[in-house]
Amino acid sequence: DAGVTQSPTHLIKTRGQHVTLRCSPISGHKSVSWYQQVLGQGPQFIFQYYEKEERGRGNFPDRFSARQFPNYSSELNVNALLLGDSALYLCASGLAGISYNEQFFGPGTRLTVL
Amino acid sequence: AQKVTQAQTEISVVEKEDVTLDCVYETRDTTYYLFWYKQPPSGELVFLIRRNSFDEQNEISGRYSWNFQKSTSSFNFTITASQVVDSAVYFCALSEFGATNKLIFGTGTLLAVQP
Repeated sequence: DAGVTQSPTHLIKTRGQHVTLRCSPISGHKSVSWYQQVLGQGPQFIFQYYEKEERGRGNFPDRFSARQFPNYSSELNVNALLLGDSALYLCASGLAGISYNEQFFGPGTRLTVL
Repeated sequence: AQKVTQAQTEISVVEKEDVTLDCVYETRDTTYYLFWYKQPPSGELVFLIRRNSFDEQNEISGRYSWNFQKSTSSFNFTITASQVVDSAVYFCALSEFGATNKLIFGTGTLLAVQP
């Protein structure tokens, strides 16, 4: 069975640009969450979507937005990129969107902002 | 406030040694869930275990074991007879009861197992 897939693998952008990251969950999973992992730190929660609705939002500015499509794939958008947005962006999928649910992570997208 | 603390930034051991990774958490909830994930150099987080707050039984899975103690708010992870393949960053995480599966991660412990 295919795991969580993310694209692209790596991305280089300049300050002020916009970026879109994509995630496909494991087949049958309806919950997708996004995390930002800055080098040397643990992942920080950005968003959770379940059945195409936002279930949770972390402490990130409005420049960050996301959506989930009818096939449960998801996009994370970041506008007006800052140097501090350079990080590994991880997508996680789960069967349901509730707290005890195991989540399975994708390989991540490494974003570098110059 | 919810918080996970992994005080050990880096640990280096020689193969076949036992090693324990510490995790201390803070939460006001009575129902919560604790997780351990492994992050090898490839970057993908690999799920290892989930524990709920009502189950304080220790768990063993092969060379891995976990010790959950509510009295000290700790959820420690022990690898017995470590192997080079165990080299990775290990994260402890907390999820509070509710309709979201938000994980609060610690800062991770880098384990280096030398041959």
